[in-house]
Amino acid sequence: KQEVTQIPAALSVPEGENLVLNCSFTDSAIYNLQWFRQDPGKGLTSLLLIQSSQREQTSGRLNASLDKSSGRSTLYIAASQPGDSATYLCAPGVGNQFYFGTGTSLTVIP
Amino acid sequence: DAGITQSPRHKVTETGTPVTLRCHQTENHRYMYWYRQDPGHGLRLIHYSYGVKDTDKGEVSDGYSVSRSKTEDFLLTLESATSSQTSVYFCAISESGPGELFFGEGSRLTVL
Repeated sequence: KQEVTQIPAALSVPEGENLVLNCSFTDSAIYNLQWFRQDPGKGLTSLLLIQSSQREQTSGRLNASLDKSSGRSTLYIAASQPGDSATYLCAPGVGNQFYFGTGTSLTVIP
Repeated sequence: DAGITQSPRHKVTETGTPVTLRCHQTENHRYMYWYRQDPGHGLRLIHYSYGVKDTDKGEVSDGYSVSRSKTEDFLLTLESATSSQTSVYFCAISESGPGELFFGEGSRLTVL
C-alpha cells in the first residue's frame, strides 16, 4: 500500500518568502503525482499534475518537482502571499487510484 | 471549474438509518471516486467507478455500497449508518485512471 508523508505538517511564514513543501511516498511505481490546495470547508483544487516521465511542472508562482526513484516531490511557492494560506496536499497516482498525504497547513502572515 | 455537484451538502442522521449521497457531473468523465476525509487520516478512497455499472472497492469500503447507472451520476449508500461514518465525503472525477482529479465541494455527514 502506498504511504504518503508530508513534512512539515504546518508552516507559518511572512509574506514575500519563498517556501518549499515536501512530499514523500513509499512506492516509486507511480503513474503521476498531483498537488492540491484545500481551503477550510472547501473541496480540493488541483494545482499541478506531474507525469512520471517529467521532472517538474510550473504554473505561475508554483513549481513542482518529482524524483520518482527516491519517492519524493516538492512544491515550491515563490513570493508567498496571504491568499496562499491553505492546506496543500500531494497525491501520487498508482493504478486507478490516488493516495493522499495528510497535508501541510500553510499560513502566510501579512 | 469542473461541473461536479454533491448532494446533500450537509446531513445529520441517526445510527442505523440508511443514507445516500449523490455526485453529479457534467464533464462526461469516465472515472468517478468517493473519498472520505477525517482529521489525521487525510483522504481515503471508499469506492470508485470506471464506467457505467463498473465499480471497484477502495481502502475503506466496508459499510458502503455504490451504484452508477448513468455516466453523470455516482451514488454512495450507507446501508445502516454508524457513528464511525461521521465524516466529510468528497466526490472526484477524472477522464482516465489516474488522470487529473477534480473534486466536488464535499458533503458533511454527522451520524448521532
